Amino acid sequence: QLQLQESGPGLVKPSETLSLTCTVSGGSISSSSYYWGWIRQPPGKGLEWIGSIYYSGSTYYNPSLKSRVTISVDTSKNQFSLKLSSVTAADTAVYYCARFEMASAASDYWGQGTLVTVSS
Amino acid sequence: QTVVTQEPSLTVSPGGTVTLTCASSTGAVTSGYYPNWFQQKPGQAPRALIYSTSNKHSWTPARFSGSLLGGKAALTLSGVQPEDEAEYYCLLYYGGARVFGGGTKLTVL
Repeated sequence: QLQLQESGPGLVKPSETLSLTCTVSGGSISSSSYYWGWIRQPPGKGLEWIGSIYYSGSTYYNPSLKSRVTISVDTSKNQFSLKLSSVTAADTAVYYCARFEMASAASDYWGQGTLVTVSS
Repeated sequence: QTVVTQEPSLTVSPGGTVTLTCASSTGAVTSGYYPNWFQQKPGQAPRALIYSTSNKHSWTPARFSGSLLGGKAALTLSGVQPEDEAEYYCLLYYGGARVFGGGTKLTVL
């Protein structure tokens, strides 16, 4: 059974960089069949797609966040990571990682999510 | 900036049928947008229900179905159960990028 687990600091100061890692277990991140992505949800609000990465390093980003986002992959650790720079209170959210199948664009497995609060 | 629009809220009686829709600001939604549907209950991560317009995951209850309807993606719940009360999100694919709808809060009353 595939599992995804987000990890990283729960509190980040304004103007600093938010860094999260998603560890994949029960399957290989190097599979040619999938993209791996990040999604966030501010408290009481809807879901927002942040971006996706292929095991080769190919990425797609949300245009509204593109200038501040970097997603990378570490196939040796079966992990992928999110960096969001110059954060403000508006970046406070639950951050999820998820898998996306290439052929069908299906998103099937998600992590449980991790709350990141931006505050001094 | 692409906007994906869903009904903010809908109410349905237990045992009834309800259809949620998902529209794109770029025009009619087609199968090429590979519509996905998710269910989210309070305090939980979203759960995938439908992919590629109408395909169900192995865990998706039979009462959930997906389709294209009048230029929109649609999620129909037939024989609604009390446990179907939740927020529902659609997700559309734009050639690599993806956009979520704003969500529909479904009340079973």
